[in-house]
Formats: sequence, C-alpha cells, structure tokens
Amino acid sequence: GAVVSQHPSWVICKSGTSVKIECRSLDFQATTMFWYRQFPKQSLMLMATSNEGSKATYEQGVEKDKFLINHASLTLSTLTVTSAHPEDSSFYICSAALAGGRANEKLFFGSGTQLSVL
Amino acid sequence: DQQVKQNSPSLSVQEGRISILNCDYTNSMFDYFLWYKKYPAEGPTFLISISSIKDKNEDGRFTVFLNKSAKHLSLHIVPSQPGDSAVYFCAATYKNYGQNFVFGPGTRLSVLP
Repeated sequence: GAVVSQHPSWVICKSGTSVKIECRSLDFQATTMFWYRQFPKQSLMLMATSNEGSKATYEQGVEKDKFLINHASLTLSTLTVTSAHPEDSSFYICSAALAGGRANEKLFFGSGTQLSVL
Repeated sequence: DQQVKQNSPSLSVQEGRISILNCDYTNSMFDYFLWYKKYPAEGPTFLISISSIKDKNEDGRFTVFLNKSAKHLSLHIVPSQPGDSAVYFCAATYKNYGQNFVFGPGTRLSVLP
C-alpha cells in the first residue's frame, strides 16, 4: 500500500522556538495533504488542508500564522509550529490523498509527531 | 460539537469472540463512513468503509453495518485476534466534503488471549 513518512516522530523544544514537521508520500503523488492534531483521548481534529502549489485552507479556529503549511511538491508538505508554547504540545499527524483519486478515497496517514514544548 | 461519537473509550474481548465497536454521528449529510485502525506510534491505517447506499459491507473478519435512520454504524470483528488490539477510529464525510474526514475519538480494543 501507499506509504506516508512523517518526521520527526518526537520532538521536545523550548518555548518560543519553531518546529518543522515533514510529511512525505513515498511511492505516490499527493495533490492534497491534511494536517491533524490530537489531544489525549480526543478525536483527530483537522487543522488544515494543504494543496500542492497553493495556499493551505485552515479550519476555523486554527491560526494560520502560527501553523505555517507549505506544500511545495506533490510528495512533500511541511507544518511549522512557530514560536511554540506549552499549549501547542500535542500529537500532530498528516495524511495524504492520491492525486487524481476519487472523492472519499481512503487516506494514507503518517505515523505522527509528538510535540512537547517545555 | 462532536459530529462523530464513539461512546466507548475502551473495550475488552476474549480471543475468538466477536468484537463490536460502535459509532454514532449527528450530521445527516454524511454519506460515506470509514474505520481506521491505529497501533501505538503508528499512523492510522484504513480498515473498511461503507457508502450510505449500503447497510452492510464485509471484508474477511471485518463487517461494517450502517443504520442511517439511527445515524449509527458498527464494526464487527469475528473472530477477534490478539493482533486486533488497537485503537479504532470511526470517520465520516460527504460528497462535497471529499477527504475532509471527521473522526471520532476512537475506541481502544483489547483482545485477551
């Protein structure tokens, strides 16, 4: 099956620093990638939809200046948490959809990144 | 407001018995539903899906049932195996929402040997 690689899997940083998370589709092209956030015992919450070559679409309540998304190619999307604070500590996960796929086609997920901000 | 609910955070089942995971939704526009399985330190992987034009979809040991009038779906695993122990997420979407899936909070299934 299709593979999505997410890196790093775990990051600990000091408050005020920025953290970049990469999401790569290894064996397929992904026109669209999604970024989610999950707090303990809660749902995966969609943060933003990343489309190759265009600006990301953010969900209501997600600060686009705080969570910068870049989808520069059909195989790579990055999420940068800028000036991270302890409340940004969470599990971040990406998913990718096959380019040219049908609507409702299943997504392929990365393994997630646990961010801990001290 | 949680549009997709999984009211049981955890479930324990004996190996060989049936596991039934439940999911309820509130948005009547949802017309496509999926189940994902997640092991620790891994991303969710697709398990099975069902369109609203059906009320049942079966794939090996996994069967998903959809009751549109009750806005309820369930995942049946028969027989349950220890390797099925994982967190199961229910997800929903509708035609114009495409792959913007709305996920439930997950149910942790433990299959006891």
